[in-house]
Amino acid sequence: NAGVTQTPKFRILKIGQSMTLQCTQDMNHNYMYWYRQDPGMGLKLIYYSVGAGITDKGEVPNGYNVSRSTTEDFPLRLELAAPSQTSVYFCASSYDYEKLFFGSGTQLSVL
Amino acid sequence: QKEVEQNSGPLSVPEGAIASLNCTYSDRGSQSFFWYRQYSGKSPELIMSIYSNGDKEDGRFTAQLNKASQYVSLLIRDSQPSDSATYLCAVNEKQLTFGSGTQLTVLP
Repeated sequence: NAGVTQTPKFRILKIGQSMTLQCTQDMNHNYMYWYRQDPGMGLKLIYYSVGAGITDKGEVPNGYNVSRSTTEDFPLRLELAAPSQTSVYFCASSYDYEKLFFGSGTQLSVL
Repeated sequence: QKEVEQNSGPLSVPEGAIASLNCTYSDRGSQSFFWYRQYSGKSPELIMSIYSNGDKEDGRFTAQLNKASQYVSLLIRDSQPSDSATYLCAVNEKQLTFGSGTQLTVLP
């Protein structure tokens, strides 16, 4: 079972570049999330979606955008990358907005 | 702003001992509480959920909830080196809010 699949696993960006982090889940979950985790810190919610076509901001949305055209996919777009966006990014999905299943993460460095 | 506070540790216990992890939260309206375990370099995984005051046991793990004190804890009995990880407390009002985690090391 694939579960939640994130790509890429690692990426180095230069300041000002843009990229998209991909997230796909095969569990038919309606709820999907993007979190970032800085070293020694907890998870901060960037954006979330309660179903296809519906997205909403979390705690730290600035500098990011999302879309949810299908139930399976929830890509995260970084525009004009900044060093402050250096972090580990986790995508997660849930069937009940409480018990989350996480992808393996993307380690992003902006230099 | 909703807050979830945990002692960052690190917490070290000898193998076979009881590890006690604590968490407080600020939102009195919170109804659901979770413990996630995160091994170094890995993603979090759910290990316990609790919704009512009192204790909930699952194998070597016991979650304790006291809504009046806005306090939730996780006890790990007979701690094993394989329990060494960071434990994240999460509280749900509308969306999950995570604490910063407590790093646990179980010494052989």
